[in-house]
Amino acid sequence: GENVEQHPSTLSVQEGDSAVIKCTYSDSASNYFPWYKQELGKGPQLIIDIRSNVGEKKDQRIAVTLNKTAKHFSLHITETQPEDSAVYFCAATLNNAGNMLTFGGGTRLMVKP
Amino acid sequence: DAGVIQSPRHEVTEMGQEVTLRCKPISGHNSLFWYRQTMMRGLELLIYFNNNVPIDDSGMPEDRFSAKMPNASFSTLKIQPSEPRDSAVYFCASSLNYPPTGELFFGEGSRLTVL
Repeated sequence: GENVEQHPSTLSVQEGDSAVIKCTYSDSASNYFPWYKQELGKGPQLIIDIRSNVGEKKDQRIAVTLNKTAKHFSLHITETQPEDSAVYFCAATLNNAGNMLTFGGGTRLMVKP
Repeated sequence: DAGVIQSPRHEVTEMGQEVTLRCKPISGHNSLFWYRQTMMRGLELLIYFNNNVPIDDSGMPEDRFSAKMPNASFSTLKIQPSEPRDSAVYFCASSLNYPPTGELFFGEGSRLTVL
C-alpha cells in the first residue's frame, strides 16, 4: 500500500480563505517532511520543510505542523492568493525506501478570485 | 544560478523507438535522481546516483529502462524500445546530500509521448 497518503486530492477555496492539506505516513522512524509546490509546466519546488524534532514551523503565510505520535503532518496556507494555485506534494523519508523521499499523491489547489 | 537542466522539454516518438532524456545537475551536488510523473501513479523514483554511482535502481520499471551518469555534470535516462505506457513527464533532480535530508532541486521535466 501507499506509504505516504495525502488528502484531499483537490481543494478549491476562495481568495483570502485558508487551505489545509494533510498527509499521513507509515514509518515511525521518518524524520524529514518537506512540502513541494508544482506549478503548471514546472518541476516541484520546495516551499517549507520540518524535521522530527519540532512540532510546527512557519514562513509568512505558510506553516507546517507535525504530530509524530499520530504520524501525520499538515500544510496550512493562510490568506490564499490566486498565485497559490498549484499542485502541492508532501513527502517523507521512509526507512523501507532507503531513507529516500517518498511523495504523497498530490493536492490540486485552486484559489478562486 | 543555473538550476537542473533537462532536455528535451518535449518528445513525441513512435512505439519501438529509442528515447534518450538528458540531465545536467546543479554544480557541486553529489546526488542525482530520476523521477517519473503520471496522473495514475504520481511521482515515482526510478533511480538515484551518489557521486556518479547508481545506488538503487529498484524503481526502474523494466529492463527497457536504463540510466547512466558518466560524470558529475551529466546523466541520461534511456528507454529502448519505448511503449505508449511510458508516456509521462520525467524529472531529474539533484541534491547536496545523500540521503537527501535537504532540498531536492528539480528540473522542468521532459514530457514524453509515445504513440
